[in-house]
Parts: sequence; structure tokens; C-alpha cells
Amino acid sequence: QSALTQPASVSGSPGQSITISCTGTSSDVGGYNYVSWYQQHPGKAPKLMIYDVSNRPSGVSNRFSGSKSGNTASLTISGLQAEDEADYYCSSYTSSNTVVFGGGTKLTVL
Amino acid sequence: EVQLVESGGGLVQPGGSLRLSCAASKFTFSTYSMNWVRQAPGKGLEWVSYISSGSSTIYYADSVRGRFTISRDNAKNSLYLQMNSLRAEDTAVYYCARGMVNYPPNAFDIWGQGTMVTVSS
Repeated sequence: QSALTQPASVSGSPGQSITISCTGTSSDVGGYNYVSWYQQHPGKAPKLMIYDVSNRPSGVSNRFSGSKSGNTASLTISGLQAEDEADYYCSSYTSSNTVVFGGGTKLTVL
Repeated sequence: EVQLVESGGGLVQPGGSLRLSCAASKFTFSTYSMNWVRQAPGKGLEWVSYISSGSSTIYYADSVRGRFTISRDNAKNSLYLQMNSLRAEDTAVYYCARGMVNYPPNAFDIWGQGTMVTVSS
């Protein structure tokens, strides 16, 4: 199972919006509404930010939103803040009954 | 506070074995699926294994199938990962993570702090 494809890095200024893409296949992202997004700060455990494509867990800011079109899912962060600087990973359930992660995207807040 | 605490990591020689444990607290462990996810130094996340709440369904990543065994003891609120025939490429921080739903393996809403496994001679 190949990793989902994410851009290695994205950047934005405080207050701006950014979008991180996550491209898979019809056997994972495109086949199920089981895409999740995680935020990971250096040396910390990942934190769930979005599940089932577009749902936010309790306590996650509404500045974070998710969507999907075909085999590509997206995470949008609006009103960028300094604390948003982190690594972001997407994941998807697959037709092989496994979970595949993306390679990760480093977000830099300028 | 809902919590997962991993233990059992360490340095092991190639071909050796190690057993990781994950202790759960402050939630009804027996009603949730559980997973192991690992992260090699400086690399991304890699899902390793899933076990349903009652242990009836178990899945593995191709990279560990046949070498790793996931199990759980709901009476002890504990999750385990028996790792045999370890290779250098198994070197990683291993996280246990709670599944939001019992099936399928999907979103992981609670994570432990991780335990480091180093495979080296």
C-alpha cells in the first residue's frame, strides 16, 4: 500500500488561509469517507483534527476544515496562527482493511 | 483525564524480540478498537496494526504481518504488541492509539506519548 501524496511543505502568513492536499486512489481516499487529518508538533504525539473527511472532534478550532473531491482530500486552515505551525498528516481506510498515511506536510507560519 | 501510556521499548539486536504494552485509563477500554502506529526517526507516520474491541478482528500492515502480533486484555485495560524477528527498519517510536469507532480502522482520537524501539547490533 503506497503512502498518500501530500506536499512536503506549505507556508502562509498569520491571518491567511492555506490548504493541504492529500491524493490517493479509488481504493482508499476516493472509495470511502474515512479520511482523517492529524497535527503533530515536534516531539509530541499526533492530534486528531478532522475525521470522516470533514468532521471536527470536540475542542478543535473551527478554523480547521476538511473536504474531498474524487481521490483527493484537503485540509484548510483559515486565520493562520503561530501555533498552527506543525506537521500535518492525512490518513485513509483502504480496501485492504488497512490504514494508510500521507507522507506529511510541514506548515510554516511566516 | 483519558490516557494511554506505552511501555516496553528499548534497544534490541536484529532478529530479536520485544513486547510493547499500552495501559489505558479513564475510559471504557473494552468498547473501543485500538491500534499501533509507528514513526521512524525524522519520518512520517506508519499504521502498524488494528484490533477490534473484542479481539475478533485483527489487521496488520504488510511490513509487519507474520512478525508482529497485536493482542489486548480488556480486564487489565491493556493493549500489547509482540514484535519478533526485528529488523533495523522497525526502529521507530511506537504509539498506541484509540479508534473512534470499533470498525473499520479509521480515525484515532487518543494517542499515547510513544515508546522508542531501536533495532541495532
